[in-house]
Amino acid sequence: DGGITQSPKYLFRKEGQNVTLSCEQNLNHDAMYWYRQDPGQGLRLIYYSQIVNDFQKGDIAEGYSVSREKKESFPLTVTSAQKNPTAFYLCASSIGGGHTEPQHFGDGTRLSIL
Amino acid sequence: AQSVAQPEDQVNVAEGNPLTVKCTYSVSGNPYLFWYVQYPNRGLQFLLKYITGDNLVKGSYGFEAEFNKSQTSFHLKKPSALVSDSALYFCAVRDTGAGSYQLTFGKGTKLSVIP
Repeated sequence: DGGITQSPKYLFRKEGQNVTLSCEQNLNHDAMYWYRQDPGQGLRLIYYSQIVNDFQKGDIAEGYSVSREKKESFPLTVTSAQKNPTAFYLCASSIGGGHTEPQHFGDGTRLSIL
Repeated sequence: AQSVAQPEDQVNVAEGNPLTVKCTYSVSGNPYLFWYVQYPNRGLQFLLKYITGDNLVKGSYGFEAEFNKSQTSFHLKKPSALVSDSALYFCAVRDTGAGSYQLTFGKGTKLSVIP
């Protein structure tokens, strides 16, 4: 089945530590996205990528970094500069280029502070 | 800037009754509108979208939504609610006038269907 796989499902970060969240898709989608979800705040865009080797900052990029070396992979690193990383992180993908297609989501990674 | 509002944090409805989850939007150009549903500890699932054409859009699981340009609204509806419809619902908008790839999401409405 085609879809988006996020791993791990749960992740714990120590003070001063960088952690990387994995996102892999086999939908052959060009565009990929990372969102942060906090209770009562909806989804906020962290980074997005329309094509391999290119990505743009979203609304809350500070303290995060990404790479897009392969079409199917878009890992997110939560750096020690992100002072409040506890949240539910969602990765999504869509057919690139058009504005009309919906985004498809993975099942998320829940990040907590130790 | 594009924005979307879901004025109700929670909606309660009895099983078998019709349900409505409200959404209003603000854009500079024409809107592309989407509804998604989220079950606990899961990702979002796409329900339906409005791009152009008929104002009444039909989607998955018996849901539909009505686009109203004059009221800048895109309310989600279902004629007869099921207990299994209980979930978190998100409205999202993309502004064609802004030339942006970004979707802006509302804060979500928790739907509880009471048996």
